[in-house]
Amino acid sequence: AQKVTQAQTEISVVEKEDVTLDCVYETRDTTYYLFWYKQPPSGELVFLIRRNSFDEQNEISGRYSWNFQKSTSSFNFTITASQVVDSAVYFCALSEGNSGGSNYKLTFGKGTLLTVNP
Amino acid sequence: DAGVIQSPRHEVTEMGQEVTLRCKPISGHNSLFWYRQTMMRGLELLIYFNNNVPIDDSGMPEDRFSAKMPNASFSTLKIQPSEPRDSAVYFCASTGRRGRSNEQFFGPGTRLTVL
Repeated sequence: AQKVTQAQTEISVVEKEDVTLDCVYETRDTTYYLFWYKQPPSGELVFLIRRNSFDEQNEISGRYSWNFQKSTSSFNFTITASQVVDSAVYFCALSEGNSGGSNYKLTFGKGTLLTVNP
Repeated sequence: DAGVIQSPRHEVTEMGQEVTLRCKPISGHNSLFWYRQTMMRGLELLIYFNNNVPIDDSGMPEDRFSAKMPNASFSTLKIQPSEPRDSAVYFCASTGRRGRSNEQFFGPGTRLTVL
């Protein structure tokens, strides 16, 4: 069974601070996909990134960066120079690799509520 | 592209009433997912369809819940009879190509309150 743990329930920072959101996952598959989603106060879920299990390269997109380490089963997310608009709940999710051409379900972590104060 | 469309956005009903939630996936997507979000349980998958066929409904909590996808552009999630513990935000999501675990695009959700 697959599992995603986001140990940080809530994080509060002051604007311009860097912040890292942790994500640890469990899966028996060798092929799997990891995701981060953002849920702002308005409630919608916004896709941020997908990473497959064979690609351990870190990725940077503007102020966002992701650190994928298979050795520790972690896929952490860092926001550099945080802004008030980054305030949201961030979800890490896992999907196991398909074996029959089907798109598999996502297993979500409980989410981390990030509050960026001015 | 209009994105995933869900209706209604808000629904308030009384215990025992039938509730029907609707979803229109992104055109061309062949997989559709229904999720429920609550404070206690977080985001959990209820059911998903591939090419209009239900693949995994193990997350459907009880027989009171049912879902259909009569065609590629429409799905419903029905609760009959509804109970206060069904109060939650229900999300529909869709994704595209077969054979890959692509990102799922979520609708805005339906906030259901059962009194």
